[in-house]
Amino acid sequence: GENVEQHPSTLSVQEGDSAVIKCTYSDSASNYFPWYKQELGKRPQLIIDIRSNVGEKKDQRIAVTLNKTAKHFSLHITETQPEDSAVYFCAASKHNQGGKLIFGQGTELSVKP
Amino acid sequence: EAQVTQNPRYLITVTGKKLTVTCSQNMNHEYMSWYRQDPGLGLRQIYYSMNVEVTDKGDVPEGYKVSRKEKRNFPLILESPSPNQTSLYFCASRWEGGYTFGSGTRLTVV
Repeated sequence: GENVEQHPSTLSVQEGDSAVIKCTYSDSASNYFPWYKQELGKRPQLIIDIRSNVGEKKDQRIAVTLNKTAKHFSLHITETQPEDSAVYFCAASKHNQGGKLIFGQGTELSVKP
Repeated sequence: EAQVTQNPRYLITVTGKKLTVTCSQNMNHEYMSWYRQDPGLGLRQIYYSMNVEVTDKGDVPEGYKVSRKEKRNFPLILESPSPNQTSLYFCASRWEGGYTFGSGTRLTVV
């Protein structure tokens, strides 16, 4: 079935460094790729998303890139801050509207001051 | 404010005592879903609903029931809870874009 693999499972960086989280998906029909941030004890929150007709999208310090040929997409966080510490989930979907999201296993990011 | 409301936030119950976790959304979304989150296992889908009176199993449906009698509500029912259903549960709804998640329900079954 449809699957999303996420790496690494844990990531520790120094404040100010960049962090990169990578995901691969199995279903070539997937066309929507959101990223979620989950702080301890809270709900996952959408931070950025990308659709299959776009190769890259940026929002201030975060960016997502998509390589449809290789079926992988990545989250890039620049100038990391301690408040970026959280668990990050990638996801993929074949549906632009409604429908199931397939989640990666999550990456626990720790930003050390 | 667009939101998904889940209740209760915390629940401790005993094995076998039926319980319902409520979920309501005010965004007129057709698609709603329940997930459970366990350490090391990520978010696993329990049940989903494409529209009123249309529900289907997700990846881990055993021991759960749902209903969708009206578009805004999607309750999760545990007829006979067991300790392995101790988990953090999230309701979510979706139209364009990603899911909007509820605040979560931390369930402990003793």
